[in-house]
Amino acid sequence: GEDVEQSLFLSVREGDSSVINCTYTDSSSTYLYWYKQEPGAGLQLLTYIFSNMDMKQDQRLTVLLNKKDKHLSLRIADTQTGDSAIYFCAESIRTSGTYKYIFGTGTRLKVLA
Amino acid sequence: GAVVSQHPSRVICKSGTSVKIECRSLDFQATTMFWYRQFPKKSLMLMATSNEGSKATYEQGVEKDKFLINHASLTLSTLTVTSAHPEDSSFYICSARDLSAGVNEQFFGPGTRLTVL
Repeated sequence: GEDVEQSLFLSVREGDSSVINCTYTDSSSTYLYWYKQEPGAGLQLLTYIFSNMDMKQDQRLTVLLNKKDKHLSLRIADTQTGDSAIYFCAESIRTSGTYKYIFGTGTRLKVLA
Repeated sequence: GAVVSQHPSRVICKSGTSVKIECRSLDFQATTMFWYRQFPKKSLMLMATSNEGSKATYEQGVEKDKFLINHASLTLSTLTVTSAHPEDSSFYICSARDLSAGVNEQFFGPGTRLTVL
């Protein structure tokens, strides 16, 4: 299967941590990505994790991967108003001789001042 | 590095006309480019995978005669929406893979908003 699910909305107060969750179904995923999309704009790559890792930290961002449960999360520490956006997880799977991305449904993060 | 551009950023056209959208990798070569469609407040849906010098591979449910894809060089892919109708109005995003990067990361363009009247 190729379904990637995310919760639709998340609201946090400025300075708190945000945790955005993602579940996927294809166990053959090689890389998993987190993208940020601001209104009317394209996608900005935030971070990615290789499927044989279980954690990756990059400044305010921490990615956790539970491969057994096919669960991926993105934690944003000290969330700022500028972090308000839609966040997409994506898994990279190999099919028909090429790698393609399957995107999650997107989580709209709202940061309250 | 790894910049992808799209042109135009916005286009408004009349029903029945055709619209061409360009996707360029500015500072790298991309044998593979991808075209996505995004409906308002929805996720990105892969439409097709475009390989330089060969026919595009379309996802199930995407009409190849409606959405013509050409990938004539390592830096340019075009998507032509033929005989556009209002239901084709959407945000179209392309991405490109950098051969030399060694990972299968895709770099995304800024998107093209198509409005069909």
